[in-house]
Amino acid sequence: QVQLVQSGAEVKKPGSSVKVSCKASGGTFSSYVINWVRQAPGQGLEWMGGIIPIFNKPKFAQKFQGRVTITADQSTSTAYMELSSLRSEDTAVYYCARGGDLSYFYGMDVWGQGTTVTVSS
Amino acid sequence: QSALTQPRSVSGSPGQSVTISCTGTSSDVGGYNYVSWYQQYSGKAPKLMIYDVSQRPSGVPDRFSGSKSGNTASLTISGLQAEDEADYYCCSYAGSHTHVFGGGTKLTVL
Repeated sequence: QVQLVQSGAEVKKPGSSVKVSCKASGGTFSSYVINWVRQAPGQGLEWMGGIIPIFNKPKFAQKFQGRVTITADQSTSTAYMELSSLRSEDTAVYYCARGGDLSYFYGMDVWGQGTTVTVSS
Repeated sequence: QSALTQPRSVSGSPGQSVTISCTGTSSDVGGYNYVSWYQQYSGKAPKLMIYDVSQRPSGVPDRFSGSKSGNTASLTISGLQAEDEADYYCCSYAGSHTHVFGGGTKLTVL
């Protein structure tokens, strides 16, 4: 059974960057989409982007183009999401979630526990 | 990529059925049979309840069902139970390797 374990909570200053990790265990990593989804306090889910590690060509929601970097390290079965130029509106819980096998079509069946990122001066 | 439209809240009594709608466009919900639904309890990660419009993952009760007509997808929960009280989100493939979520619906079991 695949599990996704994320890095711990972060507190960042406006204008800085944050990098969140998502380590997979117990199953195949390289061929499945790893999606990144965030949820601001009291708000809904927002898809940020994703990557299929074996292809290493990340895809992004238009809103985050140029500000988010998504990478994956097949040797450690770990995906990363880095968000730059942080502002207070980026305060949220950030989730990684497994998508389809070699395809972005499908739903997200395994989720990480979430990483709280707080942006505050 | 605008968020899909869901009602902010729905409610029902134990044993009843409720339906949550999710309206998009021909570029997302209407264009693909890749709508999924997620249940989320407060402070917890979402859980996949329906994928590919109407398919249930193993372990999800058959009280949960999904459907789609045109640009609107729906999640129906029959035989409501107290434990179904949660937030529900729809999500659709939106082309070009992207997804879009709905704004979420709070289900209250009266």
